[in-house]
Amino acid sequence: NAGVTQTPKFRILKIGQSMTLQCAQDMNHNYMYWYRQDPGMGLKLIYYSVGAGITDKGEVPNGYNVSRSTTEDFPLRLELAAPSQTSVYFCAAAGGGRSLETQYFGPGTRLLVL
Amino acid sequence: KQEVTQIPAALSVPEGENLVLNCSFTDSAIYNLQWFRQDPGKGLTSLLLIQSSQREQTSGRLNASLDKSSGRSTLYIAASQPGDSATYLCARRAAGNKLTFGGGTRVLVKP
Repeated sequence: NAGVTQTPKFRILKIGQSMTLQCAQDMNHNYMYWYRQDPGMGLKLIYYSVGAGITDKGEVPNGYNVSRSTTEDFPLRLELAAPSQTSVYFCAAAGGGRSLETQYFGPGTRLLVL
Repeated sequence: KQEVTQIPAALSVPEGENLVLNCSFTDSAIYNLQWFRQDPGKGLTSLLLIQSSQREQTSGRLNASLDKSSGRSTLYIAASQPGDSATYLCARRAAGNKLTFGGGTRVLVKP
């Protein structure tokens, strides 16, 4: 099992450009999350999903959109990139029942907006 | 607003010394408290999870305690090794398995 995978690993965007950060998991977990981590800080929740077709806002959703058409994939969309979106983005997945407790994280996507 | 705070932000110790990492949270009505390790340029790895009904959890050299009444959790790492150098994050779990993270403590264990 690959667990949680993210692409790309690194990207440079110009202000106003758009892009989609990809996240996929092969654990058949219902819960998926997107976080951002600014330098020297903890992670902040952007969006999350409790299952295919269901998404909800987290703590810092402005400037982002998500979709969850399948259990496996949870892409994050930036429509108009801004310098404030320079960050490292982590995707995570969690199962149900007792396994709901642990979130499994991907390796992250480093984004630089200039 | 639920907040999670970790102090100190950075810590440097000689090899063999015990590490004590602190985490405080503002709301005692937590589901659980989780400790993660993050290596530079990497994702997060779960270390220990303490349920709200538990006082502590142990795994090898790691021991985490939870005191809901004072809003504190402490991660102890015994006999530190250079390989323990990393950033350690605590996270408080809320409904929907949403985690609120602290800012992390960056640990350096010097040989």
